[in-house]
Amino acid sequence: EAGVAQSPRYKIIEKRQSVAFWCNPISGHATLYWYQQILGQGPKLLIQFQNNGVVDDSQLPKDRFSAERLKGVDSTLKIQPAKLEDSAVYLCASSSSGFKGGNEQYFGPGTRLTVT
Amino acid sequence: DAKTTQPTSMDCAEGRAANLPCNHSTISGNEYVYWYRQIHSQGPQYIIHGLKNNETNEMASLIITEDRKSSTLILPHATLRDTAVYYCIVRVGSSNYKLTFGKGTLLTVNP
Repeated sequence: EAGVAQSPRYKIIEKRQSVAFWCNPISGHATLYWYQQILGQGPKLLIQFQNNGVVDDSQLPKDRFSAERLKGVDSTLKIQPAKLEDSAVYLCASSSSGFKGGNEQYFGPGTRLTVT
Repeated sequence: DAKTTQPTSMDCAEGRAANLPCNHSTISGNEYVYWYRQIHSQGPQYIIHGLKNNETNEMASLIITEDRKSSTLILPHATLRDTAVYYCIVRVGSSNYKLTFGKGTLLTVNP
């Protein structure tokens, strides 16, 4: 079974530029998550999709971050314009639908973003 | 979701059991205990979860105290590849499945 795919793996941009990250979840997984992980900290949820609808985007800085999941499969996360504090690893994860405990999340390798 | 407290770091000798503690004194009756780990430069990896009973799988064992206020993740025979940050997370199983990560415990397995 193929895992969660993310691209690019690394990206370096200057502040005020824009950047986009792509995620392809595990086939059949209805729920998709984007996390931000700043160096030395645990991942922080930015946005969660159930199929192509947003379940939770309470911690997404909506003035600069946007995300979409067209057709309920692949997803893109965009930052425009980027700030220095956006330097982090952006992780995508997916899980299957269910209504009881145990829906573990499978994470991709992440995209390391450096904003200079 | 309830908060958890974990030691910042731990060491373990290769081949020995690694016992990673986690306190979750405010856990609710419908919250599960999850463990994930993150090896350097990789995404987090699910290890195990439990509600009340002790659990075991091919990776680890999870021991939850009777009052559910703390738990221990046991790696029975640690190897160098088990060096990672281990996260203990509690969350409602039937909610929106959000995982709230703390800083975790850095486990270093020494040769």
